[in-house]
Amino acid sequence: DTGVSQDPRHKITKRGQNVTFRCDPISEHNRLYWYRQTLGQGPEFLTYFQNEAQLEKSRLLSDRFSAERPKGSFSTLEIQRTEQGDSAMYLCASSRPRSGNTIYFGEGSWLTVV
Amino acid sequence: KQEVTQIPAALSVPEGENLVLNCSFTDSAIYNLQWFRQDPGKGLTSLLLIQSSQREQTSGRLNASLDKSSGRSTLYIAASQPGDSATYLCAVSRFSGGYNKLIFGAGTRLAVHP
Repeated sequence: DTGVSQDPRHKITKRGQNVTFRCDPISEHNRLYWYRQTLGQGPEFLTYFQNEAQLEKSRLLSDRFSAERPKGSFSTLEIQRTEQGDSAMYLCASSRPRSGNTIYFGEGSWLTVV
Repeated sequence: KQEVTQIPAALSVPEGENLVLNCSFTDSAIYNLQWFRQDPGKGLTSLLLIQSSQREQTSGRLNASLDKSSGRSTLYIAASQPGDSATYLCAVSRFSGGYNKLIFGAGTRLAVHP
């Protein structure tokens, strides 16, 4: 396993701009998750994909947020019209098909909105 | 609603000490519990996964126990080293819609000084 890969690792953007993060899960992991983590807090669930299907979205994911996983491999998370409150680390994770398996996280993408 | 609490929030110990990190959760209907390590500005590294039917798991100097009925887990670190300095996160898994959603505590920040 090469690990979960996220890009970019750091992004500074002006308020109102759009940003997109990419996640490449571990190969053969059909489950993919996005979490958000603010300073001093644990990660919070945003959304879940099983293959290309987005099966659950948290209420934290406002209509300015959209996530896709077009071919069931990599995923993108786009934030439109960024606000200062969006500043956080966005973590991607993946796991094997069976429930109860270890979930593996990427290094995260830091977003700072100025 | 599941809530996960970790005590203490921060811990500073001299090298060589054995230490215990605590995690409690309000809903005992969990699928499994996972302990993670997070270095500053980095992603999460899975340390130990305990299924709900298990009582403990061990990996090297780490031992994690689970008492589901009382809603508690402990992470025991033997003979602590400066390299153990990091934030340790506890997460419980709730089986929902065919996948496991992780709910995290805020973490324990550990500093081990020489």
